[in-house]
Amino acid sequence: QVQLVESGGGVVQPGGSLRLSCAASGFTFSTHGMHWVRQASGKGLEWLTCIRYDDTNIHYADSVKGRFTISRDNSKNTLYLQMNNLRLEDTAVYYCARDRSPMVTWSDYFDSWGQGTLVTVSS
Amino acid sequence: DIQLTQSPSFLSASVGDRVTITCRASQGIRNYLAWYQQKPGKAPKLLIYAASSLQSGVPSRFSGSGSGTEFTLTISSLQPEDFATYYCQQLHSYSITFGQGTRLEIK
Repeated sequence: QVQLVESGGGVVQPGGSLRLSCAASGFTFSTHGMHWVRQASGKGLEWLTCIRYDDTNIHYADSVKGRFTISRDNSKNTLYLQMNNLRLEDTAVYYCARDRSPMVTWSDYFDSWGQGTLVTVSS
Repeated sequence: DIQLTQSPSFLSASVGDRVTITCRASQGIRNYLAWYQQKPGKAPKLLIYAASSLQSGVPSRFSGSGSGTEFTLTISSLQPEDFATYYCQQLHSYSITFGQGTRLEIK
């Protein structure tokens, strides 16, 4: 079965950096686009970024553009999110999610999600 | 960015009730809309995609409709496990957005 497991969350000071990982299993990772979505405590869902299955197309939300970088290693079945210059408002649970269909040009709906990893930005 | 506005933000209903949640887009998004269900402490779950297609494994009491700027999610007969928060999501633009959520609680 499809499984996505995030890791790398923790407590970091404002201005600091953190790298999240999302280990994928149970499907052919290299054929699916992937996304990062976050949710602050008690708040709604915020899409952050996506990367096409073949690493040729990447998009970011304005809130993280220039600070966060998405990448993937299809040989390791792993998705990454490098987060730099973190702000207090970046505190949230971060989820990775999978495109429902394989080999989609832009994006598909998110049919599988990880359990989330908590990032706390605090001084 | 395309804004999605859900109504109501909070809904109180009873088991067996039929409920409808609306999602309005700030501009036309054709049928590039999905609905997700989220329970406390859990990741969201895809219910409906492409406005009206039922995701595999989702009970048939869930249905979606709409196109352009107005969409609805209907639960035909609420079950105890349906009490959760529901989000709509659009994929039309190169910046995906979610609605603010509708919290469905037991009356």
